[in-house]
Amino acid sequence: AQSVTQLDSQVPVFEEAPVELRCNYSSSVSVYLFWYVQYPNQGLQLLLKYLSGSTLVKGINGFEAEFNKSQTSFHLRKPSVHISDTAEYFCAVSDLAGTASKLTFGTGTRLQVTL
Amino acid sequence: DSGVTQTPKHLITATGQRVTLRCSPRSGDLSVYWYQQSLDQGLQFLIQYYNGEERAKGNILERFSAQQFPDLHSELNLSSLELGDSALYFCASSVGGQAANEQFFGPGTRLTVL
Repeated sequence: AQSVTQLDSQVPVFEEAPVELRCNYSSSVSVYLFWYVQYPNQGLQLLLKYLSGSTLVKGINGFEAEFNKSQTSFHLRKPSVHISDTAEYFCAVSDLAGTASKLTFGTGTRLQVTL
Repeated sequence: DSGVTQTPKHLITATGQRVTLRCSPRSGDLSVYWYQQSLDQGLQFLIQYYNGEERAKGNILERFSAQQFPDLHSELNLSSLELGDSALYFCASSVGGQAANEQFFGPGTRLTVL
């Protein structure tokens, strides 16, 4: 079984400042890793995913994440945030085994960007 | 707009009742997933269907059931509703049914059990 830990429930940051949202996972098998964003009253949208290859993954809206196997982490970063980035961010994992897909989500991090 | 539609948007009902949530996947997607988002449990995977067949099961209660029809739309049936079933229920779809396939989420159905 897998689990995902998002240590920060809320991250306040000023506009144009950099931000890092932390994600650690636990799994006995190899996993795929994902970051989703949820804007108020909307569904989830995929920001980026790590399947294999380069450990630095670039996503939409200027976000990127780095997969660190030894630290079992997949932290999300953005060098300069905008007010419109205010949202809930979810880290998720899915194991590679089998033909099914089952996302296990973290508890989410609320990013609050202010002027 | 992800292309996944869910109806209704809001549903208010009483304990002990039964409701049906409906999901239409994106055109061409064969796999449908159901998730529950609540304040105390967070986002939890319930069940996955691929081309009409159940593919994976998560933390889905026995009072809940789902199916995917030949036209690929899916329904989630919730019965003997309890206060704790109040939550946002998301449907997602993907082209294939495997872990690498991106899942596209609908806007959700907010269920309130009074």
